[in-house]
Amino acid sequence: DVVLTQSPLSLPVTLGQPASISCRSSQSLVHSDGNTYLNWFQQRPGQSPRRLIYKVSNRDSGVPDRFSGSGSGSDFTLKISRVEAEDVGVYYCMQGTHWPPLTFGGGTKVEIK
Amino acid sequence: EVQLVESGGVLVQPGGSLRLSCAASGFTFSGYWMTWVRQAPGKGLEWVANIRYDASGTYYADFVKGRFTISRDNAKNSLFLQMNSLRAEDTAVYYCARGNQAADYWGQGTLVTVSS
Repeated sequence: DVVLTQSPLSLPVTLGQPASISCRSSQSLVHSDGNTYLNWFQQRPGQSPRRLIYKVSNRDSGVPDRFSGSGSGSDFTLKISRVEAEDVGVYYCMQGTHWPPLTFGGGTKVEIK
Repeated sequence: EVQLVESGGVLVQPGGSLRLSCAASGFTFSGYWMTWVRQAPGKGLEWVANIRYDASGTYYADFVKGRFTISRDNAKNSLFLQMNSLRAEDTAVYYCARGNQAADYWGQGTLVTVSS
């Protein structure tokens, strides 16, 4: 099974400052069809997960442009250019290249300093 | 607007059974794979099972194989998860999500508690 390792586990950030979350895979996530199925999700306190980014770098509709995804192969990053109060929550990466099983990273908790 | 509404979560004893439902609306349900994901209290997300758009294929996490069955009724825009031989470690919020690799929309979840 593909293991996704996120870091850091916890990320205290000052409002208006940038934040960066890493997701490393135990193997390359490039699919035989040429796509890389790596998604990012945000889970605000008490809410269900919401997809932010799909296939590494594509932002979902309605997602603020301060969120961006990048990376390739087995190394991926989610960046928030300027953290706002509504960004507090837990962020997960998820891979859909080598399944079953679909696998998730352990999560990174973003909080305001 | 895409909507997914889960139901059926309750308190059940170890060894018991439960059937979860997910009512879909706002999209052509029969055109999408569907997925169940769970989240134990205070823990991360864990894939449980998914099903092809036409129900011709189903896939399960190892820890539920032989105990859980995913199914769907495309005429009623509904997804199901039949859960048998429940264990304490199955206690979690269960979410349905649209798609397989995509998982682009999620429901609000339904809480299953397995305890005596």
